[in-house]
Amino acid sequence: DADVTQTPRNRITKTGKRIMLECSQTKGHDRMYWYRQDPGLGLRLIYYSFDVKDINKGEISDGYSVSRQAQAKFSLSLESAIPNQTALYFCATSGITGTGGFGELFFGEGSRLTVL
Amino acid sequence: AQTVTQSQPEMSVQEAETVTLSCTYDTSESNYYLFWYKQPPSRQMILVIRQEAYKQQNATENRFSVNFQKAAKSFSLKISDSQLGDTAMYFCAFMKHRSTSGSRLTFGEGTQLTVNP
Repeated sequence: DADVTQTPRNRITKTGKRIMLECSQTKGHDRMYWYRQDPGLGLRLIYYSFDVKDINKGEISDGYSVSRQAQAKFSLSLESAIPNQTALYFCATSGITGTGGFGELFFGEGSRLTVL
Repeated sequence: AQTVTQSQPEMSVQEAETVTLSCTYDTSESNYYLFWYKQPPSRQMILVIRQEAYKQQNATENRFSVNFQKAAKSFSLKISDSQLGDTAMYFCAFMKHRSTSGSRLTFGEGTQLTVNP
């Protein structure tokens, strides 16, 4: 099983619908992140969390919200999806010292979201 | 704020040959980390190599090595003996050293590398 699991892997939805992307991890890391990937733009940070009570906005948080339900779970919500939120979304984790080295991010397999 | 630029959207190389991917960055920090991540068609993000800015020696991982030029703010990736499995999107990324904001990475735009048989 993957250490960082994202659901759903693929989703097609309509404009105005609420959508939630879920992420769970078994790495025991305290830090979790949501990134968005668009062609030609690389990955951009949406939100990040250091622990259950600490949530921070990233570069492009408008139109998104997050919830850290537990150390191992971090979900991303689009309250009213719009077509320009069509993208590949990644959840990632990192530890304080980092398994494999300081600063390394461990990524989930991505959730491809299409908003029609 | 930090920026990372990859000026080559696409590159191709013949199997067994060597290819170099370019990355430049801009920062006012004196100590930081740089990374190369690989994203194959499976879309999984895989760490290829990591460089700590305070280390002068260039990092090497098997067929992958970097040319880190701190003064020029350049961080290129060299892939030797290219293999078909190296076909992927490659991302350069920057992270502040011991950032209070965790392992926040700033990514470049990506370079799509195709290895031809």
